[in-house]
Amino acid sequence: DTAVSQTPKYLVTQMGNDKSIKCEQNLGHDTMYWYKQDSKKFLKIMFSYNNKELIINETVPNRFSPKSPDKAHLNLHINSLELGDSAVYFCASSQGYSGKGNEQFFGPGTRLTVL
Amino acid sequence: GEDVEQSLFLSVREGDSSVINCTYTDSSSTYLYWYKQEPGAGLQLLTYIFSNMDMKQDQRLTVLLNKKDKHLSLRIADTQTGDSAIYFCAESTGGSYIPTFGRGTSLIVHP
Repeated sequence: DTAVSQTPKYLVTQMGNDKSIKCEQNLGHDTMYWYKQDSKKFLKIMFSYNNKELIINETVPNRFSPKSPDKAHLNLHINSLELGDSAVYFCASSQGYSGKGNEQFFGPGTRLTVL
Repeated sequence: GEDVEQSLFLSVREGDSSVINCTYTDSSSTYLYWYKQEPGAGLQLLTYIFSNMDMKQDQRLTVLLNKKDKHLSLRIADTQTGDSAIYFCAESTGGSYIPTFGRGTSLIVHP
């Protein structure tokens, strides 16, 4: 059973296009996240949703719009893709504060390549 | 400077011990974590330590925390080729406990 799943795993597209990445978690967690990992492996949080409500929105271009139809899903839509958007995007979820702090459960990642 | 810093690469021989170091800046860090990322996969929590602890041992893994120097280390005993991965240090504070990640240390284990 996959805990956090993302589709697609690979996404290759042209500059200027609009694309979406989907994420689902079956852990019953209340909080979901999107992270961006660049080519140097730097991992930066983009958004965090708690019970379908946006709680963190880091400095991300407004071309990126997250949508959470229910607490098990957090999708990421990107408009007008740019070369600099090429990265691996990770979805994650957590149950918030617990005995392990805020353990993040990561999906396998979506490698986005913008040509 | 960055909030969480780690060296980028570490190369060790199979069977030796590996020590991956991390420094952080936030003195109010409550939890400190080590995550492992294998090629083509997401990060997975390896171990964590609460800020009122100095050491935590879990099988081949030993985490040492020097809160005064804001220094965290991960020691892997008897390193195996399967331990080759990127290891991320992370810390969290505050009500949300959203972790801040370092840039990751690539551990290369050679025969």
